[in-house]
Amino acid sequence: GAVVSQHPSRVICKSGTSVKIECRSLDFQATTMFWYRQFPKQSLMLMATSNEGSKATYEQGVEKDKFLINHASLTLSTLTVTSAHPEDSSFYICSAGGTGSGEQYFGPGTRLTVT
Amino acid sequence: GQNIDQPTEMTATEGAIVQINCTYQTSGFNGLFWYQQHAGEAPTFLSYNVLDGLEEKGRFSSFLSRSKGYSYLLLKELQMKDSASYLCAVRGPTGGGNKLTFGTGTQLKVEL
Repeated sequence: GAVVSQHPSRVICKSGTSVKIECRSLDFQATTMFWYRQFPKQSLMLMATSNEGSKATYEQGVEKDKFLINHASLTLSTLTVTSAHPEDSSFYICSAGGTGSGEQYFGPGTRLTVT
Repeated sequence: GQNIDQPTEMTATEGAIVQINCTYQTSGFNGLFWYQQHAGEAPTFLSYNVLDGLEEKGRFSSFLSRSKGYSYLLLKELQMKDSASYLCAVRGPTGGGNKLTFGTGTQLKVEL
């Protein structure tokens, strides 16, 4: 099956700083990638759809100026959490694929802790 | 919008069969997925239904009834490693970008 990687797997940062998370499709090209956030014991919530070469589409309630998404190539999307605060601490997961009848392939996730 | 309901928790015995139900109300439907997620890990794909009926894949089967907005995941010959959260997800219409909306997940605990 297709492989999606994320980096870093864990990051701890101080309040007010920015953190960049990378999502890569390793063995296929992904024109669309998805970014999710998951709080403890809750389900995945879609934050935005990342489109290669164009602007991301954000879900209602997600601040596009705070969560910057860049999808510069067919294998890489990045999510930057700007001016992070403790309430941004969460598990961030990306996925790729899902077109046609295919499933979305999920990356291993990034655990962000803001102190 | 999408509204997806699953039981929060279930407990079953090793070697038994368990059925996890999912009901949904959606403004558009283009398939239903089941994922397994162990704590601290990303979801892994289990099954996909877009037409009514049963899809079988080894110890796992998934059923869909579009008219009823209902699906279930059936796990047979339960093993301890099956203890995990099981997520039901509905994909929206093609024009909506193939987005997945996830249910809250069912935490399954397999006991001896």
